[in-house]
Amino acid sequence: ETGVTQTPRHLVMGMTNKKSLKCEQHLGHNAMYWYKQSAKKPLELMFVYSLEERVENNSVPSRFSPECPNSSHLFLHLHTLQPEDSALYLCASSLDLGAYRGNEQFFGPGTRLTVL
Amino acid sequence: DQQVKQNSPSLSVQEGRISILNCDYTNSMFDYFLWYKKYPAEGPTFLISISSIKDKNEDGRFTVFLNKSAKHLSLHIVPSQPGDSAVYFCAASRTLDTDKLIFGTGTRLQVFP
Repeated sequence: ETGVTQTPRHLVMGMTNKKSLKCEQHLGHNAMYWYKQSAKKPLELMFVYSLEERVENNSVPSRFSPECPNSSHLFLHLHTLQPEDSALYLCASSLDLGAYRGNEQFFGPGTRLTVL
Repeated sequence: DQQVKQNSPSLSVQEGRISILNCDYTNSMFDYFLWYKKYPAEGPTFLISISSIKDKNEDGRFTVFLNKSAKHLSLHIVPSQPGDSAVYFCAASRTLDTDKLIFGTGTRLQVFP
């Protein structure tokens, strides 16, 4: 399989549950990202990893916990979420850090999360 | 406060005509701009980009124009095709912020026959 994949595609969870979102990229990229897209809001960058090291934590609440075990996999662990955390969570990867020609970010299809 | 704004949430264009999608930004330090396209149930896909040293970049039917003094960029699609119907996101970055893309809220384009 090629590109960026995300599982699950849809997730419904209660506020006391613990769940994890998974992202996998088959592009040989070194940088991976988590974004959140809420209704009628722009994509918001949550976390950035480069070569498995976190380089950005964009003031995200601690109930979201990322993990990058290797450069191909990225997880977002969720616990005690709130209903306002319901959103589309998108994973992306790029060859390296930096916005320049040839280093565009490739996105996965996203996980639609609903918190009850 | 949104640094990248797409003030038109939707646009409807007839097939064969030109589609013009607009984007405004507030941070004069942005020096690289991108357009992404998103179909339902898919992630955004990169479409075209432009560096601040240019004022135009063309790729097939897609052209991006950058007006730095007005802090405005636009995406022109000509001729528009039904397959272009999607949500288009504008994004901006500073070279020094190596990891941050700031996105707009998107414009939904519908191309009708």
